[in-house]
Amino acid sequence: GQQVMQIPQYQHVQEGEDFTTYCNSSTTLSNIQWYKQRPGGHPVFLIQLVKSGEVKKQKRLTFQFGEAKKNSSLHITATQTTDVGTYFCAAHGSSNTGKLIFGQGTTLQVKP
Amino acid sequence: DTGVSQDPRHKITKRGQNVTFRCDPISEHNRLYWYRQTLGQGPEFLTYFQNEAQLEKSRLLSDRFSAERPKGSFSTLEIQRTEQGDSAMYLCASSLGGSGALYEQYFGPGTRLTVT
Repeated sequence: GQQVMQIPQYQHVQEGEDFTTYCNSSTTLSNIQWYKQRPGGHPVFLIQLVKSGEVKKQKRLTFQFGEAKKNSSLHITATQTTDVGTYFCAAHGSSNTGKLIFGQGTTLQVKP
Repeated sequence: DTGVSQDPRHKITKRGQNVTFRCDPISEHNRLYWYRQTLGQGPEFLTYFQNEAQLEKSRLLSDRFSAERPKGSFSTLEIQRTEQGDSAMYLCASSLGGSGALYEQYFGPGTRLTVT
């Protein structure tokens, strides 16, 4: 079945450094959604990308969807301690299903 | 406005016992999803409903698992004859939904199941 691979699994950065997580699929995706899960919390929706080559920004967060719609990235500029958590990418199995397939997640630790 | 709620938040049970979890979605959402999450992993899809109809169920889901959404509002997830491997966080989510439309999902706080 469809799989979404995410790397790295863990990332430790010093506060103020940048952070990037990558999401890859062997098949063309209908969309990519990104979620953040704080320690002890539940996934919270951040953004959805649908168009080939799409780039969206939310303050210090930049999200990209690849031209072939097989990969995506989340980049955080100048990390802060509030960015700590696990970031998941997720994709719908197709445009006709509500099922989300999640990547394994990247856990970000930020040292103050 | 209330978000997605789940009950109970924690459940400890002995192997072989049956357990039932409840999820109350955001009221205007017609889709409701169940996921399972273990430590260090992303949520794993179990099943989802659109209104009261169960539209999809994971092939990995054992026959011991059953879910219902009888009136298209709240949902229950039952696990029969629990096994230690069932220990996980069970997450419920809800969203708007319709053919060809891809919506974000809103997750509840989860029910943490521990099978001893």
